[in-house]
Amino acid sequence: VVLTQSPLSLPVTLGQPASISCRSSQSLVHSDGNTYLNWFHQRPGQSPRRLIYKVSNRDSGAPDRFSGSGSGTDFTLTISKVEAEDVGFYYCMQGTHWPPQTFGQGTKVEIK
Amino acid sequence: EGQLVESGGGLVKPGGSLRLSCAASGFIFSTYAMNWVRQAPGKGLEWVSYITSSSANIYYADSVEGRFTISRDNAKNSLYLQMNSLRAEDTAVYFCAKEGYKVWGQGTLVTVSS
Repeated sequence: VVLTQSPLSLPVTLGQPASISCRSSQSLVHSDGNTYLNWFHQRPGQSPRRLIYKVSNRDSGAPDRFSGSGSGTDFTLTISKVEAEDVGFYYCMQGTHWPPQTFGQGTKVEIK
Repeated sequence: EGQLVESGGGLVKPGGSLRLSCAASGFIFSTYAMNWVRQAPGKGLEWVSYITSSSANIYYADSVEGRFTISRDNAKNSLYLQMNSLRAEDTAVYFCAKEGYKVWGQGTLVTVSS
């Protein structure tokens, strides 16, 4: 399964919304009815941090300005109001059809 | 949720071997599957290998199949990655991650160069 993120670079204005798209080469609906699509944030020199699991479930500790949506093959991560600490790379990852579990190429978010 | 700490990275020549370790704490290690994920310098994330809690099921990425071996010692709360026949393209930071990817280690750098 190939995950294609867009854009690959996203300059954002503080306080404004931002969205990242993740498109899959095939449906990510598992035979058990779940859709195993996660979103991660990684700052330079740090480990990835999971923000969203199973499309739209926000992890404990993830700010509520982050939300996930989508179904089938099209998914979106939205930041309602970007803050300075949100810079870095964002990755989608699928765990429905594996091995291998696959990641998107990553989207770099930076402040304008 | 727990904590993971990797060790064992370093500089190795092409064709050489290295064994990475991942020490787990703060959760019942023996009940969770584990993953290795790597990140080449300036590149994205690549899943490497997976092992179930009992070691009954193991999977590898095509890029490392036949050269890398994942294992675990539940008595020692430790995960391992034995890497043989290393290539320049294996140069990366290697992360261990708990099943579900909620918990990651800080990573250990492996550099394959002559």
